[in-house]
Amino acid sequence: EDQVTQSPEALRLQEGESSSLNCSYTVSGLRGLFWYRQDPGKGPEFLFTLYSAGEEKEKERLKATLTKKESFLHITAPKPEDSATYLCAASGGSYIPTFGRGTSLIVHP
Amino acid sequence: NAGVMQNPRHLVRRRGQEARLRCSPMKGHSHVYWYRQLPEEGLKFMVYLQKENIIDESGMPKERFSAEFPKEGPSILRIQQVVRGDSAAYFCASSPTRQGQMNYGYTFGSGTRLTVV
Repeated sequence: EDQVTQSPEALRLQEGESSSLNCSYTVSGLRGLFWYRQDPGKGPEFLFTLYSAGEEKEKERLKATLTKKESFLHITAPKPEDSATYLCAASGGSYIPTFGRGTSLIVHP
Repeated sequence: NAGVMQNPRHLVRRRGQEARLRCSPMKGHSHVYWYRQLPEEGLKFMVYLQKENIIDESGMPKERFSAEFPKEGPSILRIQQVVRGDSAAYFCASSPTRQGQMNYGYTFGSGTRLTVV
């Protein structure tokens, strides 16, 4: 059974304080590793897909990296508007992603 | 170009009633996925549909839950004889193809929050 585990569950940062979110996955035949952002009361919003170990993708203050067992979402100099829940998901043979429980990020001004 | 539309946004049902949740996918998308999100839990896959076909229902409870995506009209997730444990946020997502979501991800709706009293 595919499994995705995210840590920490919650993270509080000061504005400008860089950090990383972790996603560990166990998926048979990984097709893709996804990162989504979810704001309160809304559906998840797609950020990145990573396909193979060593791949990196960036978007503004976010950078996602992938190894054979983990993915990291690095947040550089975060701002209060980066506050959200960040979801990691992985898909294998069926293409249907299995989601982790998410990391709730709060960035204080 | 409207995104994925879900309605109602909030739904309150008494135990034993039926709940009907609707989802209209993005224009051009013919693949629909339903997920359930419980407090303190991640998104759990329920069912994957194409027009008039259920492709994968491995995440659907065996009883009381059903889904359809007719040739015309929105996809419907139906929960019969609701119980308090059905209270959750139900999200619908769409993609243009089965593999198309790999590069661009799913497009999610804003969800329907079901409360069973």
